[in-house]
This record gives sequence, structure tokens and C-alpha cells, in this order.
Amino acid sequence: DAMVIQNPRYQVTQFGKPVTLSCSQTLNHNVMYWYQQKSSQAPKLLFHYYDKDFNNEADTPDNFQSRRPNTSFCFLDIRSPGLGDAAMYLCATSKTSYEQYFGPGTRLTVT
Amino acid sequence: AQSVSQHNHHVILSEAASLELGCNYSYGGTVNLFWYVQYPGQHLQLLLKYFSGDPLVKGIKGFEAEFIKSKFSFNLRKPSVQWSDTAEYFCAVTPSGNAGKSTFGDGTTLTVKP
Repeated sequence: DAMVIQNPRYQVTQFGKPVTLSCSQTLNHNVMYWYQQKSSQAPKLLFHYYDKDFNNEADTPDNFQSRRPNTSFCFLDIRSPGLGDAAMYLCATSKTSYEQYFGPGTRLTVT
Repeated sequence: AQSVSQHNHHVILSEAASLELGCNYSYGGTVNLFWYVQYPGQHLQLLLKYFSGDPLVKGIKGFEAEFIKSKFSFNLRKPSVQWSDTAEYFCAVTPSGNAGKSTFGDGTTLTVKP
């Protein structure tokens, strides 16, 4: 089945230790998104790729970076995780402005 | 920038009760509207969507939503809920033709008591 896959599902990292989360899709969608979701809050858009074009949200900290080497893969890099970065990170894809298809998320714990 | 407001943070209903979850948005232009659902232990998935045409849209599992442009609202309804509808529900707005500007509401947790 076509889907959005996120690895790992659970990630524990130490304060200040870089971490990379990955997302892959078999839907061949041109848009890929990264969201941060904290408990009982709305998913917060960090950035998205429209094809190869990277679009950063104005309030996304510089600590968060992303790479999209090809249509299928997208990575979220957190350069120096702080305790406040502990959250669920969601990857999603869409065809232009249509509905989004979400992966299962990666729960990041920072110790 | 657009914003989305969901009126109820937590709703508790008994089975067979009717459901209406409120969603209001603010944006000056044309929008695409969505309701997503997250069942316990599962990922977010689309419940229904509105792009244009008939303002009353039907989704999966007997859900429907009505877009009222004059009220900037897109309320979710179901005539008779089931225990399996227990989940978190998110309303989302995307300006038409602008894929990256999706905004989600804070979500409503629905608990259905058997």
C-alpha cells in the first residue's frame, strides 16, 4: 500500500546531541511537510518542500533543518536538541493544496 | 495569516448521541477545509474535505460537515456516535493553491461512553 513511513518511531537523544529523523513516501506527492506536535496541541508546521523548493516557517528555530534529496525522502535534522524540543514529529505529504497524508510520527525524547 | 479555532477541547457523549464539533477560521481568501481524525495509537487521517461546490460534504464513517462561508465555519456532525468514534479531531485550513500554508486547530478530544 502507498504510504508515508517515518523512522524511527521512537528516538531518545541527549541534550545538545544532533539527531536526524527520516520520512519516506510511496505516494509520489510533490509536497512534503514536517510538523511538531506537543501534547494536547495542534500540529505546528515547521517547514515544507514544494518539489525541491524549501519553505521555512518564520517562527521555526534555526536549530531545525531539513533535507529532501529526492521526491521520496525527507529528513529533519535537529542540530542541538533542547528539552523543549521533546515532541512528536509528524511527516506528511500532499499533491499541491489537497489533503495531507500523515506518517505515524516519531516521538522524540531529550534527556 | 490564517487561524483556526475549535470551540470544544473535550467532548464526552454516550453512544447514539448526536455530535457537532465547531470549527471557525479566519482568512480573507478562498480556502480548502479539512477534518482529520486521530484514533488512539494511530496516525492522523483524513475524515472529509471541502474544496468547492456543495457546502455539505460527507466523509467516512457517517461524518459530514457543512461549510458556511458567511460564518467562516466548517462544523463537523454525526447523527449517532459509536464507541469507536472515540478519537481526537482536528480541523485544518489551507489557502487554495498554497499547499504549504496549512493551519490546524488545537483539536477536540471526543470520548464516547458505551
